[in-house]
Amino acid sequence: NAGVTQTPKFRILKIGQSMTLQCAQDMNHNYMYWYRQDPGMGLKLIYYSVGAGITDKGEVPNGYNVSRSTTEDFPLRLELAAPSQTSVYFCASSPDGTNQPQHFGDGTRLSIL
Amino acid sequence: QQQVKQSPQSLIVQKGGISIINCAYENTAFDYFPWYQQFPGKGPALLIAIRPDVSEKKEGRFTISFNKSAKQFSLHIMDSQPGDSATYFCAPSSNDYKLSFGAGTTVTVRA
Repeated sequence: NAGVTQTPKFRILKIGQSMTLQCAQDMNHNYMYWYRQDPGMGLKLIYYSVGAGITDKGEVPNGYNVSRSTTEDFPLRLELAAPSQTSVYFCASSPDGTNQPQHFGDGTRLSIL
Repeated sequence: QQQVKQSPQSLIVQKGGISIINCAYENTAFDYFPWYQQFPGKGPALLIAIRPDVSEKKEGRFTISFNKSAKQFSLHIMDSQPGDSATYFCAPSSNDYKLSFGAGTTVTVRA
């Protein structure tokens, strides 16, 4: 049972480039989330989804886009990468939203130079 | 507005000692109080959680104490082991399922 799988694990981008961070879960969870984690700070919610075809903004959505065409996949797109987007990105999922544990992937470490 | 304040930022404890981490919050709508544990290179994982209708919950060596009137809850790690060395996050939420993470506490257990 893989749980939440994130790819790639590491990536270096140049300023202005774009890329998609992939996230897939095999637990048939309805809710999925994207967070970023900066040094010395807690995780901040970027976007979340309560089911296929439904997404909404979190606390720090600027510079990112998401889509949710299937229950399993929740990719995060960076357009016009900026140094401020250097961070570790985590994807998570939960069965539903009512105070259920969120299951996290192992993260994507992204550097923008 | 910082809704969740976690302290200390880091702590070092001897093997067998007690680690105590505190979390203070402002949002009175929070009704779920979890602690997540994160090892280097891994994502956070739920360690233990409490709801506001109880003041304490114990799971093995880990205990949550909850003080609703003070808007604080804490994590106690008893008989700390080297394998407990990790970063711990409080992450309270209300019914909107959005976790509000504290800044994290790095715990180092010395053998």
